[in-house]
Amino acid sequence: DTGVSQDPRHKITKRGQNVTFRCDPISEHNRLYWYRQTLGQGPEFLTYFQNEAQLEKSRLLSDRFSAERPKGSFSTLEIQRTEQGDSAMYLCASSTWTGVAGANVLTFGAGSRLTVL
Amino acid sequence: AQSVAQPEDQVNVAEGNPLTVKCTYSVSGNPYLFWYVQYPNRGLQFLLKYITGDNLVKGSYGFEAEFNKSQTSFHLKKPSALVSDSALYFCAVRDMEDTDKLIFGTGTRLQVFP
Repeated sequence: DTGVSQDPRHKITKRGQNVTFRCDPISEHNRLYWYRQTLGQGPEFLTYFQNEAQLEKSRLLSDRFSAERPKGSFSTLEIQRTEQGDSAMYLCASSTWTGVAGANVLTFGAGSRLTVL
Repeated sequence: AQSVAQPEDQVNVAEGNPLTVKCTYSVSGNPYLFWYVQYPNRGLQFLLKYITGDNLVKGSYGFEAEFNKSQTSFHLKKPSALVSDSALYFCAVRDMEDTDKLIFGTGTRLQVFP
C-alpha cells in the first residue's frame, strides 16, 4: 500500500491553457474524491466517485472542470481554459465505502499545486 | 447550511502542556464530525471521528475530542503536547445525510514550543 498518489505535484501554466491532474487511489478503495484548497482555507469539495460512477458534483465545478474515473481505478481532473482563480492545491482522497454516507475515513494524497500565470 | 467554525487561526502551547483546538458546528440532523491534520508537503491525515456513541472520542497520536451537543462543539485535545504536533488542524462535518461530502473549517495552526 503506497497511499494515494497525485501527479504532477506542481504545475505552472499560462491562463487559457488546459491542465490535467492524475490521482491513483489506494487499490482496494472504491470511493475517490477531489477537493480544492486555497491558501488559508480548508479543502472544498469538488466531486466524488464510487468505482467509475460520478455520484456528486459541486456547483463549484464549472463547465471548465471535468473529472473521470474510467475503469474505477485512477482518476483524472481536467481544467480547460485555466483562469488565475483556478490557482489552488487540488487534493485527491480515497476511501472504502462503509455503507454509511459521510462516515468514511478519507486518505488524502499530497496534492497537486496549480499556479496559473 | 451545514458549517464548522474554527475560531482560532493559531494556537501556541509549550511542550508538555495540554492543548485544545476549538471547533463548533452548525448542522441539521445528526452531526458526523472529523479532525484531520496537515503537515507540510503531506496529505491530510485522519485523527478521529464522532459518528455516534460515547461523547469522548480517542484517536491517533494521543489526541481525543469531546462531542458536546448542547454547546455544538467538538474540541480537539491532548494532555501533553509535543513539538512534533505542530501542524495545521482541520475540523470537518458531513454536509448532510445521504451524501459523502465533507465541509471543512478554515484550519487552526498549532505551534508547540520547546
